[in-house]
Amino acid sequence: QLVLTQSPSASASLGASVKLTCTLSSGHSSYAIAWHQQQPEKGPRYLMKLNSDGSHSKGDGIPDRFSGSSSGAERYLTISSLQSEDEADYYCQTWDTDLRVFGGGTKLTVL
Amino acid sequence: EVQLVESGGGLVQPGGSLKLSCAASGFTFSGSAMHWVRQASGKGLEWVGRIRSKANSYATAYDASMKDRFIISRDDSKNMAYLQMNSLKTEDTAVYYCTSEYGDYGGFFEYWGQGTLVTVSS
Repeated sequence: QLVLTQSPSASASLGASVKLTCTLSSGHSSYAIAWHQQQPEKGPRYLMKLNSDGSHSKGDGIPDRFSGSSSGAERYLTISSLQSEDEADYYCQTWDTDLRVFGGGTKLTVL
Repeated sequence: EVQLVESGGGLVQPGGSLKLSCAASGFTFSGSAMHWVRQASGKGLEWVGRIRSKANSYATAYDASMKDRFIISRDDSKNMAYLQMNSLKTEDTAVYYCTSEYGDYGGFFEYWGQGTLVTVSS
């Protein structure tokens, strides 16, 4: 079964960096994922597609502060030089032929 | 500028029906698969289903828990996507988002709407 696992929460200080993790279920370590950001009271926004080899392609207007990387079944989103507007929920998402799956989301608090 | 604008949400009684609409602009709508995603208050994102392009016979797919009650359709001449929801339950209460896939099978959601709230309650 295709499942994505995320930690419920994370926090980091203003100006610092943070690395969020999304883990693919067993047998699915080659899958690509996408990262989406949802700021409070807003619709989600696509950040990037992240492949198993760590290559990624970002959405329109996504700052260079956002980057992605991969290791085995783990997919990472790193946000550097944290700003207050980065405080949001972050969801990873993957897909199979007739299925789309979301992780449970990570709530990022900027201290 | 890409826009996805949902409409049609509101209050409906359990067992009732509701049809949501999604107006798209700013991208090649006819070449993109269109999806619906929902989010209950304080909860995460949940995929509802999708409809592919004409080139792929407008094929639909749904989350197993919704496939017998929900129907997704599209009108490429109007750049519109729709979600017909029948036999609604209180647990269907959520914000419903329209989202476009990258191409017809890019796998990920490239553009999102702002959502429309559906409340199922007596």
